[in-house]
Amino acid sequence: EVQLVESGGDLAQPGGSLRLSCVASGFIFSTHAMNWVRQAPGKGLEWVSTISGTGSSTYYAESVKGRFTISRENSENTLYLQMNSLSAEDTAVYYCAKDRGYQLPSFFDSWGQGTLVTVSS
Amino acid sequence: DIVMTQSPDSLAVSLGERATINCKSNQSLLYSSNNKNYLAWYQQKPRQPPRLLVYWASTRESGVPDRFSGSGSGTDFTLTISSLQAEDVAVYYCQQYYTTLTFGGGTRVEI
Repeated sequence: EVQLVESGGDLAQPGGSLRLSCVASGFIFSTHAMNWVRQAPGKGLEWVSTISGTGSSTYYAESVKGRFTISRENSENTLYLQMNSLSAEDTAVYYCAKDRGYQLPSFFDSWGQGTLVTVSS
Repeated sequence: DIVMTQSPDSLAVSLGERATINCKSNQSLLYSSNNKNYLAWYQQKPRQPPRLLVYWASTRESGVPDRFSGSGSGTDFTLTISSLQAEDVAVYYCQQYYTTLTFGGGTRVEI
């Protein structure tokens, strides 16, 4: 059974930083691209970032490009999202999602329960 | 970016009746080289993460009940729940993966 467990969500100051983690199990981690998708309170889904199976390719939404960095450690089955220069608009539940594909972003066949990031002074 | 527009925003359906959700993209999601539509559907129940229902516009994910079906091609797509069950109350999202990923705004299905 695929399991994705996010952590790292917290209250952050505007302009601050946070690092999210997602530990995966139940599948061969290195053979799948991985994603972060967020959902602001009471709103819809927004794709944030994708990283390929090897970690050699990364993709970002325009709204986070230059501020967020996605990475992975395949030896530890862990996905990360480094979030810098946070603003109130980044307040959301952040989901880790397993991609059906290996290289390019596609669709997400497993999701974690999410971790809440709140940006407020 | 491709804009995905869902309609209606919400709908109320009686138990056992059909629910139809529409999703329209502002450019074609049909890739000519493989004749596939790069469109997925998700279900999100309250306080839960989304769940994949359909991909390639019409391929049902393993374990998804066969009352859920996806159809359409190009720019117009539909998710149909043939006989609504109480457990189908949720928000449904379409998502394109033809290019930079984008989601529709969601459709809330109620009884």
